[in-house]
Amino acid sequence: DIVMTQSPDSLAVSLGERATINCKSSQSVLSSSNNKNNLAWYQQKPGQPPNLLIYWASTRESGVPDRFSGSGSGTDFTLTISSLQAEDVAVYYCQQYYSTPFTFGQGTRLDIK
Amino acid sequence: QVQLQESGPGLVKPSQTLSLTCTVSGGSISSGFYSWTWIRQHPGKGLEWIGYINYSGSTYYSPSLKSRATISVDMSKNQFSLKLTSVTAADTAVYYCARGGAPDYWGQGTLVTVSS
Repeated sequence: DIVMTQSPDSLAVSLGERATINCKSSQSVLSSSNNKNNLAWYQQKPGQPPNLLIYWASTRESGVPDRFSGSGSGTDFTLTISSLQAEDVAVYYCQQYYSTPFTFGQGTRLDIK
Repeated sequence: QVQLQESGPGLVKPSQTLSLTCTVSGGSISSGFYSWTWIRQHPGKGLEWIGYINYSGSTYYSPSLKSRATISVDMSKNQFSLKLTSVTAADTAVYYCARGGAPDYWGQGTLVTVSS
């Protein structure tokens, strides 16, 4: 199985400041067939299902605010929120969908400082 | 707008079989090259991928479930299902159905408690 490790486990950022969450996979999730990284990011708020933010490591899902961006390739990835808003308080997960079982990171809790 | 809704018993006894159904509305389950996925979340914990069935009917499961899981599709009802045999308290979780390998649509989730 590919192990996904997120860092940090939690962080607190001031409103309007940048938040950065890292995700590392135990092996590359770069597909040679389409040269895309099979890596997604989700946001989960209490009592709700996860919400897809980013797929192919850097493609923003329709309707997701442009303050959310994804970057990285191979085994190292980053989710950045450029200017934190109050509604961004949530737990964030990365997931690889390169090989089954499709595994998730342990989650990063984001709060307001 | 595609919507998914899980249904099934909220309480299952140990050693019995957990059976859940996901009803898809707003689109045909047989259209497109989608896979249909089950994911669970233990109380207060992270997300665990259970498995999926793809557009050709092939299934893939997490080895951690030790062959206890079965996912199937009923195209006539626009539903897909999960069966998990020999459940224990460790299978108590919120179960989500979702569309795709990197799911873009999710059900609201259903809590299944395993207890006698």
